[in-house]
Formats: sequence, structure tokens, C-alpha cells
Amino acid sequence: KNEVEQSPQNLTAQEGEFITINCSYSVGISALHWLQQHPGGGIVSLFMLSSGKKKHGRLIATINIQEKHSSLHITASHPRDSAVYICAVKAAGNKLTFGGGTRVLVKP
Amino acid sequence: DAGVIQSPRHEVTEMGQEVTLRCKPISGHNSLFWYRQTMMRGLELLIYFNNNVPIDDSGMPEDRFSAKMPNASFSTLKIQPSEPRDSAVYFCASTYRGHYGYTFGSGTRLTVV
Repeated sequence: KNEVEQSPQNLTAQEGEFITINCSYSVGISALHWLQQHPGGGIVSLFMLSSGKKKHGRLIATINIQEKHSSLHITASHPRDSAVYICAVKAAGNKLTFGGGTRVLVKP
Repeated sequence: DAGVIQSPRHEVTEMGQEVTLRCKPISGHNSLFWYRQTMMRGLELLIYFNNNVPIDDSGMPEDRFSAKMPNASFSTLKIQPSEPRDSAVYFCASTYRGHYGYTFGSGTRLTVV
């Protein structure tokens, strides 16, 4: 079993829909990251969380440390949100362990 | 700051040739990471440095891979000799103690034919 599991692997939504991506992890962590990667593009850090909730524009990230679970929500989704979203956890040291990614496609 | 700078962006080379990938981290960041991304295995950590010292190289696939960080502003990842299975996108990232997030470079897309 991978240390970081994401679901779903793929997600297709219509423009305007609310999207949720889930991340579960099995190790103790000091922080959790949500990353975004556009097709053929680089990786952008969206959020770093150690507790609670963060919001940036239409993106919201939450984490429940006790349940070892985090969610990334996209409100009022737009085709430009189409990308791969990757959950990564920071345990010992500064090393990140990555989930397999969720491929999101938002159709106009 | 221009962010983490990687070069080259694309590299196509023949099997057996030496390949050198370069990375310039963000000034002031003290940790640098080399990752490899493939369709099959996703993102994998190859090696990371703290204060220019290699801390964990357990992800380096074999002796054909080597990485150096001669100073705080430069790192290289070398593959010698290269093989077709090394074809992947190689990312460099840096952070300041992991406190303020990680910044990734644009990646080097390596194709070994």
C-alpha cells in the first residue's frame, strides 16, 4: 500500500461544477502539500497545510490530522483548472512523498 | 527571484552518451531536490541535499546516476551512460527548511534513443 493515496485518479466535470479531490496518508507528517501540474508544464505549489483549512481564490484545501486525510476543493470550476493535482506529504526531514495524482478535466 | 532554473528544457541523446542536467535553486533556500517523473511511476525522489550536503540518495536508481552540489547556487544530475529507460522529465525543487513550501523548476524532458 502506498503511503499517499489519492482519489479519484481521473475526474471529468462540467464548467461551474464543484470538484473534490481526496488524499489519504498512512504516516505521521509535519505538512501536506497540494501541487498542480498542467499538461506538459511545470509543477506549481498550491497549498501547504499542517492543520485546518486554507483558501486561495476558488481553491480550498482542508486537512484532518487525526484522520490522516486532506481534501482539495475547486469551486465554480473552469476549463483552465484542467490539470493534474498531486498531494504530497512531508514526514521526516524535508523529503516529500507523492500521491499518484488526480487528472482533472473541466469541459466547457 | 526568477524561481528555480533548470537547463536544458529538452534533451535528446543517444544511448550510451553522458547527460548532465543543471539546476539553480532559489537564493536563500537550503534544501535542493532532484525528482524524476514518468507515466508509470509518477514523481520519485532521486536525491536531496541540505546545505549542499547529500542527505538521502536512496532513490538514485543505480551507479550510472550521480549528483553534485558544489555550492548553494548550483547542482548537477549526471547520467553516464544513459539508457532509453532513463527517458523521463527530471525536476529540481528547492525549499527553505520546508517551512514555506517548495518551488519546482520547469523540468528537463530527457529522451534517450
